[in-house]
Amino acid sequence: KQEVTQIPAALSVPEGENLVLNCSFTDSAIYNLQWFRQDPGKGLTSLLLIQSSQREQTSGRLNASLDKSSGRSTLYIAASQPGDSATYLCASRNQAGTALIFGKGTTLSVSS
Amino acid sequence: DGGITQSPKYLFRKEGQNVTLSCEQNLNHDAMYWYRQDPGQGLRLIYYSQIVNDFQKGDIAEGYSVSREKKESFPLTVTSAQKNPTAFYLCASSMGNVHYEQYFGPGTRLTVT
Repeated sequence: KQEVTQIPAALSVPEGENLVLNCSFTDSAIYNLQWFRQDPGKGLTSLLLIQSSQREQTSGRLNASLDKSSGRSTLYIAASQPGDSATYLCASRNQAGTALIFGKGTTLSVSS
Repeated sequence: DGGITQSPKYLFRKEGQNVTLSCEQNLNHDAMYWYRQDPGQGLRLIYYSQIVNDFQKGDIAEGYSVSREKKESFPLTVTSAQKNPTAFYLCASSMGNVHYEQYFGPGTRLTVT
């Protein structure tokens, strides 16, 4: 059964720093991987979707990469801002069904 | 505006009562999902539906029931059989094809005392 892990569970950085969030998965037979942002008490906002045939996707200051062979994805955030403070979740969609399998998230705090 | 709405935002119930959480989408999506989120845990799938009048159990379906009579609506009932119903409930939808993004609603926080 697919397991998705996110390390670290929490991360604190000063404003302006570039940072990388990690996501690993045990079963490389995925359709795609999706990164989300969640603010406290709110729903999830989709950030990036990477199909299994793609290596990376970019949106503004965000860049997500996917390496299926090693079971890893990273979310790169450039020039971090206090408004980036949130919990970031990754989720894989495996080939057994259509539902997402989530990691527990990395809670990011960016200080000004 | 297109999107997913969940109501109410906060819900309080006494133990032993059934309660129904609403989820509506106007994105014309075929598939809809219900997840549960607990502190320190990832989201866990309760039920999902790929088309009207059809739905499948997820990993933690016990104590929950759903219906899908209309494409835009996927209500979730939390029954008295659910042992730990207090949680944050999130509804999502996507196009039926697995290659499309899932979009989430704002969530309903249910507290049962």
